[in-house]
Amino acid sequence: EAGVAQSPRYKIIEKRQSVAFWCNPISGHATLYWYQQILGQGPKLLIQFQNNGVVDDSQLPKDRFSAERLKGVDSTLKIQPAKLEDSAVYLCASSSVVIAGGPSYEQYFGPGTRLTVT
Amino acid sequence: QKEVEQNSGPLSVPEGAIASLNCTYSDRGSQSFFWYRQYSGKSPELIMSIYSNGDKEDGRFTAQLNKASQYVSLLIRDSQPSDSATYLCAVSSGWGKLQFGAGTQVVVTP
Repeated sequence: EAGVAQSPRYKIIEKRQSVAFWCNPISGHATLYWYQQILGQGPKLLIQFQNNGVVDDSQLPKDRFSAERLKGVDSTLKIQPAKLEDSAVYLCASSSVVIAGGPSYEQYFGPGTRLTVT
Repeated sequence: QKEVEQNSGPLSVPEGAIASLNCTYSDRGSQSFFWYRQYSGKSPELIMSIYSNGDKEDGRFTAQLNKASQYVSLLIRDSQPSDSATYLCAVSSGWGKLQFGAGTQVVVTP
């Protein structure tokens, strides 16, 4: 079974530029997550989709970050304009469908995209 | 703010010994608990999940959960140099969202 795919693996941009990341989840996984991991910290959830609907985007800086999952499979995360503090690894994860009030299913991570903003 | 706390380490463990990692969480409504292993420069890899009080064993790994004490732990038996990594504790209160600790770095010394 193929895992979560992400691209690009590395990206270097200047501040105020824009960047986009792509994610393809494990086949059959309805729930997709984008996390930001800053060096020395645990991943922080940015946005969670179930199929093509947003479940949680409470920690997404909406003035500069956007994400979409139009057909309920692939997803893109965009940053525009980028700031120095956006330098981090952006991780995509997927899991089986989640149910309100129920236990959370296991999440599997892709290889991540390492973003450096100069 | 819901929190997940871990000792940052490094936790130095002789090869063949048992590594014991601890994690506490603040949200009493938490239902699902996970341990991820993260090698330097790599993404987190799921190694254990636990949902009910007690112990869960998988190979050399044992996860322990005590919801009353809001405490979850991971034991690594017969530690190997390949176990040297950062171990992330993750907790969910439902709807899938994971709250991660900052991780404990484990160093297994030959």
